[in-house]
Amino acid sequence: AQTVTQSQPEMSVQEAETVTLSCTYDTSESDYYLFWYKQPPSRQMILVIRQEAYKQQNATENRFSVNFQKAAKSFSLKISDSQLGDAAMYFCAYSVNNDMRFGAGTRLTVKP
Amino acid sequence: DTAVSQTPKYLVTQMGNDKSIKCEQNLGHDTMYWYKQDSKKFLKIMFSYNNKELIINETVPNRFSPKSPDKAHLNLHINSLELGDSAVYFCASSRQGTSGANVLTFGAGSRLTVL
Repeated sequence: AQTVTQSQPEMSVQEAETVTLSCTYDTSESDYYLFWYKQPPSRQMILVIRQEAYKQQNATENRFSVNFQKAAKSFSLKISDSQLGDAAMYFCAYSVNNDMRFGAGTRLTVKP
Repeated sequence: DTAVSQTPKYLVTQMGNDKSIKCEQNLGHDTMYWYKQDSKKFLKIMFSYNNKELIINETVPNRFSPKSPDKAHLNLHINSLELGDSAVYFCASSRQGTSGANVLTFGAGSRLTVL
């Protein structure tokens, strides 16, 4: 069974600073996808970034980037120049064959 | 136009009642899902349908029954509601692709409160 572990229940960052959220996963598959979703207080689930396991290059989306270490089964999210609007729950997710499983989430607080 | 819409957004009901949550997507996706998010924010997959066929059925009480009349709709019916059913239920959809996954598009969630 695939599992996703987010070891940081809560994180805090100063506005304009950089923060890294951790995620590890367990799988025996070689071809899969990884995601970070954001859930603000509105509770809407919003895709932040995705990574295909067969790609060695780390995905980036503006201020968001990942550090994908396939051998270590690690998939961390880096948020640069943090903004107040980044405050939310962040969920790491693993998916294979359209079966997506989520980690427990990390609550990110951004201090002005 | 809302891509994945769920109704109702809020539902308050008594223990023992039967209720339904409806979900519709206008994205032309093949696969639809129901997830449950509990009070601790854990997101757990419940069901997945691909072209009206059930493909994922996690360990969920028989009181929960999904129904997919067509690939654009996936409804969730819950019988004999219990206190522990209180949660936010998310519908989502994705386009079937190659091995791996495509992005899930989520609805806004339906908060169910059982009294």
